[in-house]
Amino acid sequence: EAQVTQNPRYLITVTGKKLTVTCSQNMNHEYMSWYRQDPGLGLRQIYYSMNVEVTDKGDVPEGYKVSRKEKRNFPLILESPSPNQTSLYFCASTYRGGSTDTQYFGPGTRLTVL
Amino acid sequence: GNSVTQMEGPVTLSEEAFLTINCTYTATGYPSLFWYVQYPGEGLQLLLKATKADDKGSNKGFEATYRKETTSFHLEKGSVQVSDSAVYFCALSGWDSGGYQKVTFGTGTKLQVIP
Repeated sequence: EAQVTQNPRYLITVTGKKLTVTCSQNMNHEYMSWYRQDPGLGLRQIYYSMNVEVTDKGDVPEGYKVSRKEKRNFPLILESPSPNQTSLYFCASTYRGGSTDTQYFGPGTRLTVL
Repeated sequence: GNSVTQMEGPVTLSEEAFLTINCTYTATGYPSLFWYVQYPGEGLQLLLKATKADDKGSNKGFEATYRKETTSFHLEKGSVQVSDSAVYFCALSGWDSGGYQKVTFGTGTKLQVIP
């Protein structure tokens, strides 16, 4: 089954404790993205990756890091989480990232930073 | 930059009522337009899309027409069901100044359908 998986689905942590949210897709897609979803703000792109070893900042990259060592995986890293990073996070992948391509979303990770 | 404006929710309708969720956009060039749906506890799924002016996207009884003259992509359904209760996101896909494809989402509209 074609899918995007994220882990963990739920996470409660404390300020400053490094964490990683994993994202994996089995569709051989080149383009992957991370978004955060906040009430009244919709989805905002954090980082994206055009292909292996190619990543770039989205609209709200501060406080986040990513890596793309393999095509299928695109982890999101919070080196020193803060309460304003409490949010719902989605990973997405797209075949080529062209203007007509559909994004496939993971189920989401709800992060709470205390 | 590109932007998408959706009507604020929540929208509450009785079953079998007519649904319209307004969406307007600003963008340079010729973006593609999308509606995504998010059911409770799940990620977003593509509902429909349109890639050029006057195209009509349709799926599961939902429709939206790409209107370049009014920069709109309103979502409609003739008869909603309880199972349509979800959050609906309008989105556009265009090109940023660096030449990369970028998707811009609206803030989402929550639909609640009551029996």
